[in-house]
Amino acid sequence: NAGVTQTPKFQVLKTGQSMTLQCAQDMNHNSMYWYRQDPGMGLRLIYYSASEGTTDKGEVPNGYNVSRLNKREFSLRLESAAPSQTSVYFCASSEAGTGWDERPQHFGDGTRLSIL
Amino acid sequence: DQQVKQNSPSLSVQEGRISILNCDYTNSMFDYFLWYKKYPAEGPTFLISISSIKDKNEDGRFTVFLNKSAKHLSLHIVPSQPGDSAVYFCAASGNQFYFGTGTSLTVIP
Repeated sequence: NAGVTQTPKFQVLKTGQSMTLQCAQDMNHNSMYWYRQDPGMGLRLIYYSASEGTTDKGEVPNGYNVSRLNKREFSLRLESAAPSQTSVYFCASSEAGTGWDERPQHFGDGTRLSIL
Repeated sequence: DQQVKQNSPSLSVQEGRISILNCDYTNSMFDYFLWYKKYPAEGPTFLISISSIKDKNEDGRFTVFLNKSAKHLSLHIVPSQPGDSAVYFCAASGNQFYFGTGTSLTVIP
């Protein structure tokens, strides 16, 4: 009964290092999403994928890349990490076919990323 | 600019009483509104939703009210229980999901 699994749970990087955050869901959902959450702010959408093979930018895509490897997996890559990317990152999935409808998103437990 | 706002960062309520969490939005084109609950070190979990064509939706102890003319929605929890202590986020669905900043609810036994 895993749902949405994110790895790693914690990571500390130095400025300029690269890293890939992994996300996998076992609910056969069409859509997957990456968010970041910063203190005093709501979750902000980085990228999403409405189906395998497609990705679209969200509200705050700069500095990130994504890959929808297959229906189950959606990874987020930081090519050259910056202190401003210190945040908690959440992956989510949804049955929604086009990305956005009334069907709720199911979230993983997050990756806490610190960039020094 | 924040499209979904939760102006109360925190709320404390006695066990058994009603908790009312509020949310305001700016875009009249939002189709659906959702509430999520979040415990520390966990991801948000879906609680209840409402379509923009309705003004009320109920699920057990949780009721969401939508006032489209005021661009305002609220979540009522009756009766409140200590296990309800968490951060509550409202979200609106349009061309993407827009989340509020959250309200931390503490239910005092």
